[in-house]
Amino acid sequence: EAQVTQNPRYLITVTGKKLTVTCSQNMNHEYMSWYRQDPGLGLRQIYYSMNVEVTDKGDVPEGYKVSRKEKRNFPLILESPSPNQTSLYFCASSLGAGGVYEQYFGPGTRLTVT
Amino acid sequence: AQSVTQLDSQVPVFEEAPVELRCNYSSSVSVYLFWYVQYPNQGLQLLLKYLSGSTLVESINGFEAEFNKSQTSFHLRKPSVHISDTAEYFCAVSGQFKAAGNKLTFGGGTRVLVKP
Repeated sequence: EAQVTQNPRYLITVTGKKLTVTCSQNMNHEYMSWYRQDPGLGLRQIYYSMNVEVTDKGDVPEGYKVSRKEKRNFPLILESPSPNQTSLYFCASSLGAGGVYEQYFGPGTRLTVT
Repeated sequence: AQSVTQLDSQVPVFEEAPVELRCNYSSSVSVYLFWYVQYPNQGLQLLLKYLSGSTLVESINGFEAEFNKSQTSFHLRKPSVHISDTAEYFCAVSGQFKAAGNKLTFGGGTRVLVKP
């Protein structure tokens, strides 16, 4: 089954404790991205990757890091999480860049930072 | 840069009644337009999209949206809703150029609560 998977689905952590949220897709997609969803704000892009070793900032990159060492994986790293990063996070992938390509979303990771 | 405004944050509606979710956008470049649906505790699913051609697009479950370029709108409608349509709906746009990456710019979402 073609899908985007994220782990963990739920995470509660404390301020300053480094964490990684994994994202993997099995569709051989070139383009991957991370979004955060906050009430009333919709989804906002954090980082995106056009291909292996090619990443760039989205609209809200502060406090996050990403890497793309393999085509299928695009982990999101929070080096020193803070309470304002409490949010619902979605990974997405698509065949290529450009709006004509449909983006497929993972199931989401709900992160709480206390 | 693009922005998307969904004019209603919540829309309560009775089962079998019609519903309209309003979406307006602004952009300095040509865009593609999308509606996504998020059922409770799930990820986003593409409901329908406008890329080109007919300005009226339809989904397989009875929703339709009409692209109005002059009013920069992409309102979503369904003539008769079901309980199972209870969800949050997001309008989104994407630039038509590869240089823009594939970023989707989302509206704030509209929660639809269908009541029996």
